[in-house]
Amino acid sequence: AQSVAQPEDQVNVAEGNPLTVKCTYSVSGNPYLFWYVQYPNRGLQFLLKYITGDNLVKGSYGFEAEFNKSQTSFHLKKPSALVSDSALYFCAVRDSAGGDYKLSFGAGTTVTVRA
Amino acid sequence: EAQVTQNPRYLITVTGKKLTVTCSQNMNHEYMSWYRQDPGLGLRQIYYSMNVEVTDKGDVPEGYKVSRKEKRNFPLILESPSPNQTSLYFCASSLYPGRLNTGELFFGEGSRLTVL
Repeated sequence: AQSVAQPEDQVNVAEGNPLTVKCTYSVSGNPYLFWYVQYPNRGLQFLLKYITGDNLVKGSYGFEAEFNKSQTSFHLKKPSALVSDSALYFCAVRDSAGGDYKLSFGAGTTVTVRA
Repeated sequence: EAQVTQNPRYLITVTGKKLTVTCSQNMNHEYMSWYRQDPGLGLRQIYYSMNVEVTDKGDVPEGYKVSRKEKRNFPLILESPSPNQTSLYFCASSLYPGRLNTGELFFGEGSRLTVL
């Protein structure tokens, strides 16, 4: 079975400060990991993914994420947050050993960046 | 413009009145899926389709039906809606997932359904 946990319901940061959104996962094979962002009244938008290779992946809007196999984590980071980064963020995982294309999502983390 | 289009965006209905939420994508994607989003639960998969005439249950299929007669369309059918199906629904599509071509999901804007 595969699962994703986002331990923080909310993250609050001041504009200009670093932003981190945490994600841990559980799979039986190798993980394919994704981050999506949802702005109010909108659908989810893809930010970045880790499939294989370099543990640090870069994505849209200045976001990056670091894959850590030993800690089974895939935390999302941004060095300097903007007010416009305020949104709902979802981590998702797919097990490479899975026979179907099942993507499991975390419960989401609401990020608020204050001016 | 590449997009996934859902209709209606907002709907209020009553218990037992059949409804259909349409989903259409213009990217020639093989894979399509329906999710419901509920506070504190994230997104849960209802049904998915790997290709035309191929559909399968996700995590929460009870009370829903789907069909995939054409590649671009994947309607979600609630034969007899109940209040516990009040939720925000998302349709998504992706290229066919291969060993390395996992592909990201493209989401529609969502359909907010209220069942009274």
